[in-house]
Amino acid sequence: QVTLRESGPALVKPTQTLTLTCTFSGFSLSTSGMCVSWIRQPPGKALEWLAVIDWDDDKYYSTSLKTRLTISKDTSKNQVVLTMTNMDPVDTATYYCARQRLYSGRYSGMDCWGQGTLVTVSS
Amino acid sequence: SYVLTQPPSVSVAPGQTARITCGGSNIGRKSVHWYQQKPGQAPVLVVYDDSDRPSGIPERFSGSNSGNTATLTISRVEAGDEAGYYCQVWDSSSDHVVFGGGTKLTVL
Repeated sequence: QVTLRESGPALVKPTQTLTLTCTFSGFSLSTSGMCVSWIRQPPGKALEWLAVIDWDDDKYYSTSLKTRLTISKDTSKNQVVLTMTNMDPVDTATYYCARQRLYSGRYSGMDCWGQGTLVTVSS
Repeated sequence: SYVLTQPPSVSVAPGQTARITCGGSNIGRKSVHWYQQKPGQAPVLVVYDDSDRPSGIPERFSGSNSGNTATLTISRVEAGDEAGYYCQVWDSSSDHVVFGGGTKLTVL
């Protein structure tokens, strides 16, 4: 059974750096083709993709947020970490991690999602 | 950057068929995935690779993709299908995951 769980602070102050951890089970990020993406959703708004990391440590970022994001993995701990710098109230959102697979040069749908973690940015 | 366009809302009576569109330039050349999201819950993959269903998803959910439009079709709509629906692709030209703006399905 595949599960993912996001963890991190519920409240951050403007200009601070947010660090979120996705802890997963039921698959390994050392397996060829496995990937994990981060997605966020402001209250009442649409899903927004942030970043993805592959089993071979390839990383891709949303163009609009690229300068603020870093994604990394710890295969031994089954974790993927996302950091976002210079947080602003507009970054208030539920942050999700989800599993994807890479095959034939394309990414699959996200077949398993964490429950999400709400991050509020406020002073 | 690649853009996916969805209607903000679709309404349908119970038992009828709902069709939710996702427009994008030559989207027929890409693999389209669809998610259902109910209030307060994480999204759930309901259709992948244009028309395949994950295990556990009812056959009432189907998808198609051609030209500039992909479509999620929900047959024999039930009250429990009321939710937000999002389309998604991988844009290989920019190495980006792209989501549509979402469609709220209302069951009348």
